[in-house]
Amino acid sequence: EEQLVESGGGLVKPGGSLRLSCAASGFTFSTYSMNWVRQAPGKGLEWVSSISSGSTYTYYADALKDRFTISRDNAKSSLYLQIHSLRADDTAVYYCARDMHQVVDALDLWGQGTMVIVSS
Amino acid sequence: DIQMTQSPSSVSASVGDRVTITCQASQDISNWLAWYQQKPGKAPKLLIFATSNLKSGVPSRFSGSASGTGFTLTISGLQPEDFATYFCQQANSFPLTFGGGTKVEIK
Repeated sequence: EEQLVESGGGLVKPGGSLRLSCAASGFTFSTYSMNWVRQAPGKGLEWVSSISSGSTYTYYADALKDRFTISRDNAKSSLYLQIHSLRADDTAVYYCARDMHQVVDALDLWGQGTMVIVSS
Repeated sequence: DIQMTQSPSSVSASVGDRVTITCQASQDISNWLAWYQQKPGKAPKLLIFATSNLKSGVPSRFSGSASGTGFTLTISGLQPEDFATYFCQQANSFPLTFGGGTKVEIK
């Protein structure tokens, strides 16, 4: 079964840092570009970042690019999101999601999400 | 950035009804439009990609269409398991952008 499982979320103080992980299984992770998408409580979906299959290309939402870093380890079938200088408005469920065929595409497989709460 | 304007924000419907949700792109995205279903506390699930292509396993009561930069998701014969929130997403260019969502509620 194809699966994505996020981890690493939690309660963080403003200004803190966090590294989210996404473990993939059931498919050849190294052949897919991947994404992070977040959803603030009661709000809609916001794309955060994408990374190509071989890590050559990374893309970020303009408002987030200075504090967010996406990376992957194909040997470990894992995707990561490093977040610095966390703010209250970063509070959200963070999902990892797989591009269906190519970079910039529909997202055909999602993890269950990991909750990040930024609060003092 | 491409803005996706989704309407209505909510709709009340009964089992068996036909429900239509629309999404308007702020510029040409060709057919690069996807639709997702999200239930409370769960991750979104892809229903339709490239405007009108059903993902494998999605019931045929779901359909998608387009007219210019306007896109439509139709649920023909609403089932109890279809009560959820639906989002559109443009897959034409970065940044990926989503519509604001449509909550389909039980009348």
